[in-house]
Amino acid sequence: GENVEQHPSTLSVQEGDSAVIKCTYSDSASNYFPWYKQELGKRPQLIIDIRSNVGEKKDQRIAVTLNKTAKHFSLHITETQPEDSAVYFCAASVLLTGGGNKLTFGTGTQLKVEL
Amino acid sequence: KAGVTQTPRYLIKTRGQQVTLSCSPISGHRSVSWYQQTPGQGLQFLFEYFSETQRNKGNFPGRFSGRQFSNSRSEMNVSTLELGDSALYLCATSPLGGSYEQYFGPGTRLTVT
Repeated sequence: GENVEQHPSTLSVQEGDSAVIKCTYSDSASNYFPWYKQELGKRPQLIIDIRSNVGEKKDQRIAVTLNKTAKHFSLHITETQPEDSAVYFCAASVLLTGGGNKLTFGTGTQLKVEL
Repeated sequence: KAGVTQTPRYLIKTRGQQVTLSCSPISGHRSVSWYQQTPGQGLQFLFEYFSETQRNKGNFPGRFSGRQFSNSRSEMNVSTLELGDSALYLCATSPLGGSYEQYFGPGTRLTVT
């Protein structure tokens, strides 16, 4: 089955700096790659996603890049702010034969933005 | 639109008991997936329901089961609870369930003693 590895497990940056989180996946059939932000005690929140026919997607301070050949994708957060502090999860999904969406998650990155 | 809702939010059960959790999707969402979140194993896929049928299944024992109703609401059942079943159980819903966005509910925190 699919396996998603995520690095680093913890990341500490100064406010205003950029943060980069990287993920690799194993199943070349994966075609959908979302990123979720989970604040303490709250639900995972979809912040950005990318599909396999796109190499890069940007939404304000957040961008995701995808390298299908290398089977890795990354989340980039620019001009970090204290409210960006949270756990970030990457995930990969394969469109299954019978339809359906089975997300395989990375192990998460605890991002801390320091003042 | 109202978001995904889950009930109850917290549960404490004893080993050997069984539990039923409920998930109400966003209006118009027909696919409901269930995930288990633990500090050690992270987020793991349990199963997905679409049009009242289990369409996909993860690698959990048969003690974990679910169902979906005609209004797309879904329930998850865990029988013969074990200490290791203590976790946050999250459901996520999506409109079509095929490589589309999934939106999570707040989760049910299950503690097994």
